[in-house]
Amino acid sequence: GIQVEQSPPDLILQEGANSTLRCNFSDSVNNLQWFHQNPWGQLINLFYIPSGTKQNGRLSATTVATERYSLLYISSSQTTDSGVYFCAVDPLFGAGGTSYGKLTFGQGTILTVHP
Amino acid sequence: SAVISQKPSRDICQRGTSLTIQCQVDSQVTMMFWYRQQPGQSLTLIATANQGSEATYESGFVIDKFPISRPNLTFSTLTVSNMSPEDSSIYLCSAGKSSGNTIYFGEGSWLTVV
Repeated sequence: GIQVEQSPPDLILQEGANSTLRCNFSDSVNNLQWFHQNPWGQLINLFYIPSGTKQNGRLSATTVATERYSLLYISSSQTTDSGVYFCAVDPLFGAGGTSYGKLTFGQGTILTVHP
Repeated sequence: SAVISQKPSRDICQRGTSLTIQCQVDSQVTMMFWYRQQPGQSLTLIATANQGSEATYESGFVIDKFPISRPNLTFSTLTVSNMSPEDSSIYLCSAGKSSGNTIYFGEGSWLTVV
């Protein structure tokens, strides 16, 4: 099956710093999403971004589908940004490029932002 | 978008018992899925909940252990049967209108088996 690798596995920042999280995937995808999991376990959808660039406040994301990677940028980090960031992809199967909405998750990046 | 509600949000269960988790979506969706997240791990897909028919299970998951129902386009249940401490996990329901579009997640159900 498709492989999804996230880096770095852990990241510690001071409040106000910027960071870049990376997601590499091994095959063609129909969907790529970034999630933030808060300490209560809730998965918050950050971006639906199978290709291109999107921005939402201090967060932005870029996916280069032809090179099979995506980047999540966090600017001016805040303590509330702490948690686990997951990249997840919906792979394409077969010559016809069928997908089923089944997400494969990376192992996540644990972000800790200190005041 | 879709808002997904799960019940219970948290429970402590006795070894050998079974627990059913409910997932309610606020609008009709084509796809519904169940994931498991073991402590300190990433999310793993358990199965696709198919409306009106048997669920499709991923490798390593079986119907006897994780029976799933989906009677309509907005509701599904996952039962964790004959629980052991290894079943202590967050169980998450997800849903989407169609493949290639945003997949939404419920807030998760934290199960601890003692």
